[in-house]
Amino acid sequence: AQSVTQLGSHVSVSEGALVLLRCNYSSSVPPYLFWYVQYPNQGLQLLLKYTSAATLVKGINGFEAEFKKSETSFHLTKPSAHMSDAAEYFCAVRAFSGTYKYIFGTGTRLKVLA
Amino acid sequence: EAGVTQFPSHSVIEKGQTVTLRCDPISGHDNLYWYRRVMGKEIKFLLHFVKESKQDESGMPNNRFLAERTGGTYSTLKVQPAELEDSGVYFCASSQDSGNGYTFGSGTRLTVV
Repeated sequence: AQSVTQLGSHVSVSEGALVLLRCNYSSSVPPYLFWYVQYPNQGLQLLLKYTSAATLVKGINGFEAEFKKSETSFHLTKPSAHMSDAAEYFCAVRAFSGTYKYIFGTGTRLKVLA
Repeated sequence: EAGVTQFPSHSVIEKGQTVTLRCDPISGHDNLYWYRRVMGKEIKFLLHFVKESKQDESGMPNNRFLAERTGGTYSTLKVQPAELEDSGVYFCASSQDSGNGYTFGSGTRLTVV
């Protein structure tokens, strides 16, 4: 069965600092992995996805994630945090049992300090 | 294109009442999904429609929940009667293909008091 674990329910960074949000996955098959972001009062927006092509995936708003099979990780990074990055971030893995569905982590709320 | 639309955005009801949530997917998306996030926990799959057919409803918590998708267009999720533990945010999503990334709606925040 597939699962994801997000380390850190809350992360604070200073504006301009590196953003690192951690996600580890468990999957018995080559995984499809996703990062979603939820800004206040908005829906979930797809940031980026890994679908077994390049291991370094670039997404929107300057975010990227690297798939590391040996570490079963798919951490999300951004070199320089902006105030507008404050949101909740969700890592997800695609699972199949009868149909494709997503297994989400518990989310990481990012706070950006001025 | 218009996104996935959900309404109401918020609903506060008393225990034992009935509530109906609605989702309008992106036009042309055959796949429609319902997910739920209970406070502080992960977002969990409820069910999946392909057009008007339920493909998978393994995540529905119990028989107080009823989902329909009329003519393969919009979908409703009815909770009857609502219990306190049904409180949470209900997300709808749609996609053209079934596994390559969804478009989510803004969610309906349901509070049962």
